[in-house]
Amino acid sequence: IAGITQAPTSQILAAGRRMTLRCTQDMRHNAMYWYRQDLGLGLRLIHYSNTAGTTGKGEVPDGYSVSRANTDDFPLTLASAVPSQTSVYFCASSEEAGGPSEQFFGPGTRLTVL
Amino acid sequence: GQNIDQPTEMTATEGAIVQINCTYQTSGFNGLFWYQQHAGEAPTFLSYNVLDGLEEKGRFSSFLSRSKGYSYLLLKELQMKDSASYLCAVRDTDYKLSFGAGTTVTVRA
Repeated sequence: IAGITQAPTSQILAAGRRMTLRCTQDMRHNAMYWYRQDLGLGLRLIHYSNTAGTTGKGEVPDGYSVSRANTDDFPLTLASAVPSQTSVYFCASSEEAGGPSEQFFGPGTRLTVL
Repeated sequence: GQNIDQPTEMTATEGAIVQINCTYQTSGFNGLFWYQQHAGEAPTFLSYNVLDGLEEKGRFSSFLSRSKGYSYLLLKELQMKDSASYLCAVRDTDYKLSFGAGTTVTVRA
């Protein structure tokens, strides 16, 4: 089934640990995105990639890094997790960055940093 | 950047109509999206507006006025399954989406 997958589904992590959230899409979409969703704040863009090989910073990039080595994968890394990074993380993709292309969202990763 | 405002909560009766307003202030506008998100699930796309006017898609319609920085999502013939959060999102000229905090709609029998 075509779509976008994320792993893990949920994770409890000790502060200071390194963690990589995985995101894979099989729709051959050019653009991919990482958001975090916190109660009352809505979805906030962390990093994005308009095409393979390029990445950009969103609204809240500090403490996170991404890479886009190929079209399908867009991992998000927390180098040294802190409790304020406790959130639900959504990966999304769209056929193109512009035009009427809507973003398709993965099921999310619920991360708790203690 | 973007500043996006939408009401926090709305309640309506099954079969009724509800209008969710969204106002935005933007440094560059390149489209407005509405998404639906059920509790514990991922957002799903509802509508897209880039030009002024009304876009209709079944029971859902979305309106945009760029000069007023205003959009609304109209939900007609409400059903219980429409109970969800509705997210207004504005895309800037760098193709980045900024989301409002969402409007939780509760449909009552």
